[in-house]
Amino acid sequence: EAGVTQFPSHSVIEKGQTVTLRCDPISGHDNLYWYRRVMGKEIKFLLHFVKESKQDESGMPNNRFLAERTGGTYSTLKVQPAELEDSGVYFCASSQDSTGKQFFGPGTRLTVL
Amino acid sequence: GDSVTQMEGPVTLSEEAFLTINCTYTATGYPSLFWYVQYPGEGLQLLLKATKADDKGSNKGFEATYRKETTSFHLEKGSVQVSDSAVYFCALRPNDYKLSFGAGTTVTVRA
Repeated sequence: EAGVTQFPSHSVIEKGQTVTLRCDPISGHDNLYWYRRVMGKEIKFLLHFVKESKQDESGMPNNRFLAERTGGTYSTLKVQPAELEDSGVYFCASSQDSTGKQFFGPGTRLTVL
Repeated sequence: GDSVTQMEGPVTLSEEAFLTINCTYTATGYPSLFWYVQYPGEGLQLLLKATKADDKGSNKGFEATYRKETTSFHLEKGSVQVSDSAVYFCALRPNDYKLSFGAGTTVTVRA
């Protein structure tokens, strides 16, 4: 069974540009989560989808971040416009139910110059 | 709010050495506690977990015991291998779905 996949693995962009990160969860997992690790610090929760609905987006840092999960399958996280402090590793995870084990992807390393 | 504090790294060890990574937490109620590991180039993997006080999680020679009285969940391994080189994250999850992680500890094991 394929695990959680993320694309791209690494993105380098200029400040002010737009970047879109993609996450493909494990097939059949209704729950999808985004987390990020900035500057080698804690991994922090960003948001949680159940199917296509946002259940909790309390961790989204500001309105430059937009997450979508159209059709309840893959999800995208768009940063527009990117700022220097957005640099970090963005992880996606999925689970069958909201209290079950979360399976993580390899992460996307975002570098904003 | 909930938080996790873990030992800062990096930690460098020789093969067969004893490894301890300290982890303490702050939380309301009785969260579940986890250790995740990220090997180079891979995603976070669940290493072990404990769901209630005095539970011991174990996997791949690693152990951690849920200590409610000291709010700790220290990770230990008696004899590390080069293949244990990775970043280790302590995490907690209250009764909901959100995981709260520590800052991670980079461990390098030298042959």
